[in-house]
Amino acid sequence: AQKITQTQPGMFVQEKEAVTLDCTYDTSDPSYGLFWYKQPSSGEMIFLIYQGSYDQQNATEGRYSLNFQKARKSANLVISASQLGDSAMYFCAMREGGDTGRRALTFGSGTRLQVQP
Amino acid sequence: DTAVSQTPKYLVTQMGNDKSIKCEQNLGHDTMYWYKQDSKKFLKIMFSYNNKELIINETVPNRFSPKSPDKAHLNLHINSLELGDSAVYFCASSQGAWGQGLKGEQYFGPGTRLTVT
Repeated sequence: AQKITQTQPGMFVQEKEAVTLDCTYDTSDPSYGLFWYKQPSSGEMIFLIYQGSYDQQNATEGRYSLNFQKARKSANLVISASQLGDSAMYFCAMREGGDTGRRALTFGSGTRLQVQP
Repeated sequence: DTAVSQTPKYLVTQMGNDKSIKCEQNLGHDTMYWYKQDSKKFLKIMFSYNNKELIINETVPNRFSPKSPDKAHLNLHINSLELGDSAVYFCASSQGAWGQGLKGEQYFGPGTRLTVT
């Protein structure tokens, strides 16, 4: 089974509107972290936001927020007030285990977001 | 100052050749990684080093050999290059400890686009 599933290969959103990018995950480990990364057309990977499995509140970073629903194993990224510069590939990723566990990230297949003027 | 740097950015070579990619981080992190991004943008962990010690070695052909001379450097040597090795290779680093407020997010280098002809 896939550990990270992103079901939207591509999304369109109008400038200034909000958009939600979906991510579901699969783990039996009680301790894990969820990350979102942005990859613009220039190719670099930019860290956006993090949610820990024990965090009580949903994470927020500026215009980015994470809608974390633990029981549903979903960690959707919400981008508010979309800007043209938000057009990029977005990856959801998970890190399992505590400090002694696996440290590498498992990535989803990504969602390509296009913001239209 | 670049946090995670990789050289070269582009590498074009012929089948059968041997090549190396170098990575350096100046973030003081103790864990470094190599990821491979294929033509469909899928990212997968290859190797992970913690304090110069190999901790993750995914199912990667033994033509790929990582080397970490010190905590700040992680190089990747590839022998007998094949067409299927064409991809973007990302180096990343993180502070291994996480939890208790530490996210353990990974910071990525700009990537090395390897093309094997």
